[in-house]
Amino acid sequence: DAGVTQSPTHLIKTRGQHVTLRCSPISGHKSVSWYQQVLGQGPQFIFQYYEKEERGRGNFPDRFSARQFPNYSSELNVNALLLGDSALYLCASSSGSQKGYEQYFGPGTRLTVT
Amino acid sequence: GIQVEQSPPDLILQEGANSTLRCNFSDSVNNLQWFHQNPWGQLINLFYIPSGTKQNGRLSATTVATERYSLLYISSSQTTDSGVYFCAVNRDDKIIFGKGTRLHILP
Repeated sequence: DAGVTQSPTHLIKTRGQHVTLRCSPISGHKSVSWYQQVLGQGPQFIFQYYEKEERGRGNFPDRFSARQFPNYSSELNVNALLLGDSALYLCASSSGSQKGYEQYFGPGTRLTVT
Repeated sequence: GIQVEQSPPDLILQEGANSTLRCNFSDSVNNLQWFHQNPWGQLINLFYIPSGTKQNGRLSATTVATERYSLLYISSSQTTDSGVYFCAVNRDDKIIFGKGTRLHILP
């Protein structure tokens, strides 16, 4: 069975631009979560979606938004990119909402903002 | 919010040695996971362990939820065990990661 997939693998953008990152969960999983990991730190929670509804949100500005589609795949959008948005963006899926369910991570998208 | 602290931050061991990694959390949690992040950034699930003890080969983990800590044991270390180990806890629909323990296994 395929694991969590993310695209693209790498991305280079310029300050002020917009970016869209994509994630496909493990088949049968209905929950997707997004994380940002800057170099040397642990992943920081951005959003969680379950059954196409937002269930949790971390401490990120409104420039960050996400949505989940009927097939449970998800997009993370970041507007007005800043240099500080350069990071590894990780997507995780689980079979239920976060409470009590194991999360599985994709390989990540490495975003560089210049 | 809840705080997650991992120790030690760095650990250098000779191949074959044993190690214990610790994760302390400041409040009750719904669940806890241990991950190994490889050099390419992939987070690999090690244990889903909100309480109790689990073992998988050379690795085992124990979570004492009432005392708010979890331990990850690695026995007979191999060079492939090198990388960063994270614990992550779930609380109020958010997952909080510790800063990780960077493990170096020398041949």
